[in-house]
Amino acid sequence: EDQVTQSPEALRLQEGESSSLNCSYTVSGLRGLFWYRQDPGKGPEFLFTLYSAGEEKEKERLKATLTKKESFLHITAPKPEDSATYLCAIGGSQGNLIFGKGTKLSVKP
Amino acid sequence: DADVTQTPRNRITKTGKRIMLECSQTKGHDRMYWYRQDPGLGLRLIYYSFDVKDINKGEISDGYSVSRQAQAKFSLSLESAIPNQTALYFCATNGAGGEDTQYFGPGTRLTVL
Repeated sequence: EDQVTQSPEALRLQEGESSSLNCSYTVSGLRGLFWYRQDPGKGPEFLFTLYSAGEEKEKERLKATLTKKESFLHITAPKPEDSATYLCAIGGSQGNLIFGKGTKLSVKP
Repeated sequence: DADVTQTPRNRITKTGKRIMLECSQTKGHDRMYWYRQDPGLGLRLIYYSFDVKDINKGEISDGYSVSRQAQAKFSLSLESAIPNQTALYFCATNGAGGEDTQYFGPGTRLTVL
């Protein structure tokens, strides 16, 4: 069964304190690993798509990496505006996305 | 203007009422999806459509129906709403032929009393 597990469930950081979010997955054939950001009461906002182990993508303070079993979202020197829930998903056999439960990130000034 | 729009944004209704949630997109995408989000459960797929004549059930389709009126429009109906259908509902779209990334609408917050 295709499955996505995210950890930790919640993460509290001080502004400038770098850290990583984890997304581990099991899938019969990877059809993409997706990262989204979701603010309260809003729709998920697309961040990155990764397809192959070893692939990396960056956007501002965020960097996503992929191995055969997991993906990491590295946050470098976070700011309070980076506070959000970060969702990881894999491409499902129906063309849908299979989501993890998310990591809620809080960055305090 | 937003690429994926949903109406209404908020809705409160009573048990047994019929409710329709609407989704429109201007991205020219073929594929459209309806997801539901509940606290602690993440996003789950309700229905999906790869084109106007192709509609498929997702993981949690019981109690829901859909209509693909046009390439750009995909509606979700609750024929007889019940309290455990209280949730955030999201529409998403992507293109065919390798465009895997899905783009989400702003969501509809539905409360069933």
